Amino acid sequence: DTGVSQNPRHKITKRGQNVTFRCDPISEHNRLYWYRQTLGQGPEFLTYFQNEAQLEKSRLLSDRFSAERPKGSFSTLEIQRTEQGDSAMYLCASSGQGSEKLFFGSGTQLSVL
Amino acid sequence: GQNIDQPTEMTATEGAIVQINCTYQTSGFNGLFWYQQHAGEAPTFLSYNVLDGLEEKGRFSSFLSRSKGYSYLLLKELQMKDSASYLCAPIDGGYKLSFGAGTTVTVRA
Repeated sequence: DTGVSQNPRHKITKRGQNVTFRCDPISEHNRLYWYRQTLGQGPEFLTYFQNEAQLEKSRLLSDRFSAERPKGSFSTLEIQRTEQGDSAMYLCASSGQGSEKLFFGSGTQLSVL
Repeated sequence: GQNIDQPTEMTATEGAIVQINCTYQTSGFNGLFWYQQHAGEAPTFLSYNVLDGLEEKGRFSSFLSRSKGYSYLLLKELQMKDSASYLCAPIDGGYKLSFGAGTTVTVRA
């Protein structure tokens, strides 16, 4: 068990560019979550999947954000036309069948210049 | 929706005890987690309460009162390595955790 893996660890981009992040959950976990965290705040829920189905998406999430989990294993989070306000740590987490306990990856730190 | 309230900062001396309070309002409640997060790192699991009462795990204990929408995390015999942010996270229906802003605990020698 290698834990939840995220890449890249850091991403610097220019405003207006598109970025994509990848998350590989713990292999037997069927639920996968994306959170965003800024300095001094707790993680803010973005979306979550059960297997390949996206079950919930935050109302605060702009339509520039899209997430997929095509085969119920790894997931990608894409941000189109990035803005400076998108700068944050993007955390992925997974949980197993019948458990709400989240295991977090190390996150992707996005900086939009 | 969620309304989670916990103190922003707390400072204590090595060897002391600190209690971090959390109040919450949820539209559906399935339990409450506490996570620890060191600066620049991912949150890690500390405790989980689904029923009222105290759960003890070594130096850390967590208490829940569902009727009051209240929980606390108790850190005993504080060590320098306990300096971190502590996140209160009630489950808001289903399997979704919502996190408070966190309480930064600073342990002084």
